[in-house]
Amino acid sequence: GAVVSQHPSWVICKSGTSVKIECRSLDFQATTMFWYRQFPKQSLMLMATSNEGSKATYEQGVEKDKFLINHASLTLSTLTVTSAHPEDSSFYICSARVGPNTNTEAFFGQGTRLTVV
Amino acid sequence: AQKITQTQPGMFVQEKEAVTLDCTYDTSDQSYGLFWYKQPSSGEMIFLIYQGSYDEQNATEGRYSLNFQKARKSANLVISASQLGDSAMYFCAMREGRYSSASKIIFGSGTRLSIRP
Repeated sequence: GAVVSQHPSWVICKSGTSVKIECRSLDFQATTMFWYRQFPKQSLMLMATSNEGSKATYEQGVEKDKFLINHASLTLSTLTVTSAHPEDSSFYICSARVGPNTNTEAFFGQGTRLTVV
Repeated sequence: AQKITQTQPGMFVQEKEAVTLDCTYDTSDQSYGLFWYKQPSSGEMIFLIYQGSYDEQNATEGRYSLNFQKARKSANLVISASQLGDSAMYFCAMREGRYSSASKIIFGSGTRLSIRP
């Protein structure tokens, strides 16, 4: 199957700093990528849909100024957690599907475990 | 609004036995897709099986099969001959609306499956 690579796999940062997470589609072009957040022992909650060359679409309740998404190319989307606080500590995971019209599964990155201290 | 319900937070099964993980969904769309993903403790999301709303036959992938009952809006996952490596979190998911690479996928709350030797 298609490969989605996410980096870093884990990061610890100080409160107030910003953290950037990268999501790359290695062997296909992804016009759309999705960012999810997962708290321990909970489900994946969709945060936003990342669209190449345009603004991301955020789900209700997600602060777009807090979670900056940039999808500058067909193979790279980034999520920046700005001015991180301990409550932002979570598991963040991206996904993409091989397009343009597909009913195939979404391929996921390995996830990034963010700890804000 | 679309919704996925998994009513079994946790299950214990003896090795080599078959296990059924329940999933019900709610949608007003005629066209949709249903997925099952496995998430081991490492956090990665592993695609298991897909069922389209117009597929007449139940999907099967090796030891995995999906018991799709459209009228009841259920999409249960059946794992035959369970193995110790099957111990993980299992998520039922649904793609909203007509298929495209931009269609969002929403997840149920998950079932933690533990296989006893």
